[in-house]
Amino acid sequence: DVKVTQSSRYLVKRTGEKVFLECVQDMDHENMFWYRQDPGLGLRLIYFSYDVKMKEKGDIPEGYSVSREKKERFSLILESASTNQTSMYLCASSFTRDQPQHFGDGTRLSIL
Amino acid sequence: KQEVTQIPAALSVPEGENLVLNCSFTDSAIYNLQWFRQDPGKGLTSLLLIQSSQREQTSGRLNASLDKSSGRSTLYIAASQPGDSATYLCAAYGGATNKLIFGTGTLLAVQP
Repeated sequence: DVKVTQSSRYLVKRTGEKVFLECVQDMDHENMFWYRQDPGLGLRLIYFSYDVKMKEKGDIPEGYSVSREKKERFSLILESASTNQTSMYLCASSFTRDQPQHFGDGTRLSIL
Repeated sequence: KQEVTQIPAALSVPEGENLVLNCSFTDSAIYNLQWFRQDPGKGLTSLLLIQSSQREQTSGRLNASLDKSSGRSTLYIAASQPGDSATYLCAAYGGATNKLIFGTGTLLAVQP
């Protein structure tokens, strides 16, 4: 079974902090994704990566950056956290772009 | 721009009932349609993926259908059980965006 592991289930940070969310997959998947999920808005794509050191903006990249130095690890960075970034963050991976995406358990991030 | 809609937003049924969840999408030029399950506070679990060339897919008590021409997909759950209680999300891949676009989900409660 594919395993996608997010480093924290719950995280509390303060406004202005630089925040790192880590995601690791164990299936040698090429593609990795970061989403945020908010009530009434569903899942929205922040960034994705189709290869090591490669990244592309999703639908809501503002205020975020990503890093993919190794194939199995995809990091989401909040450069200067703000309260409107309080959300559930979900990482996913897939073998090819059109194959099922496998999700981690999510990180519930609160920015105070 | 692809939009994915799920109706109803919430559904409550007694145990043992057969039920249908609906998903509609505006851009019929999709590569596939995926159904996911999400338990409270957790990530998404992939249930079924229907390629654009297929009409349906089955897995156990679940059957998903796809009608591209009408922009609709349904998820049929047979003999529902309390363990089926969760949020079910559909997502369309492809079309103009070449990304996975999610609906906002149907919250299902199966009453014992």
